[in-house]
Amino acid sequence: SQQGEEDPQALSIQEGENATMNCSYKTSINNLQWYRQNSGRGLVHLILIRSNEREKHSGRLRVTLDTSKKSSSLLITASRAADTASYFCATDLGASGSRLTFGEGTQLTVNP
Amino acid sequence: EADIYQTPRYLVIGTGKKITLECSQTMGHDKMYWYQQDPGMELHLIHYSYGVNSTEKGDLSSESTVSRIRTEHFPLTLESARPSHTSQYLCASSDWRRSSYEQYFGPGTRLTVT
Repeated sequence: SQQGEEDPQALSIQEGENATMNCSYKTSINNLQWYRQNSGRGLVHLILIRSNEREKHSGRLRVTLDTSKKSSSLLITASRAADTASYFCATDLGASGSRLTFGEGTQLTVNP
Repeated sequence: EADIYQTPRYLVIGTGKKITLECSQTMGHDKMYWYQQDPGMELHLIHYSYGVNSTEKGDLSSESTVSRIRTEHFPLTLESARPSHTSQYLCASSDWRRSSYEQYFGPGTRLTVT
């Protein structure tokens, strides 16, 4: 079964609005990461939050982590058309290997 | 931009052919990975490497093989391509020596087997 599950599967908003994506996972983690993928391209790392952190900010991105609920959320504030992409959460279990398990992703469309 | 490269970007090939997907990184990263991703779906880890002469199978069973003879190079080979191998293949690397857990991805190779 999937370690990471995301919702919603797709999200369509207007420019300037905020976008929130959620990720749930099943087992204890060392860290959780969010990646962005433009259509047909490789992934770009956005932000990493460690298991002992509850919130982290990077520019217009805000990530929260609730280890008791095994969930994380990614908030993009003041969205732009250029934010249109798929967003994936990935969990790192911390065992030897730094093997990431990816969720199914949220397809975000920001309409101008 | 990450310094990790994949060639070819697109490949259309007939069933039964042997193919090698190339992946190179110039960042000196010790760990490298291969993922398989179908359109609109999650990534599945198929191979990874801790360093030179180290290769491990990932979470998704794959008929492909990999080698790591040089730090910067991590090619993936399919001995006999089949239509079920049609997918996007993404290569990534990370720098575990500096306890950096983020992965840097190449642009991917989109493989179609006819």
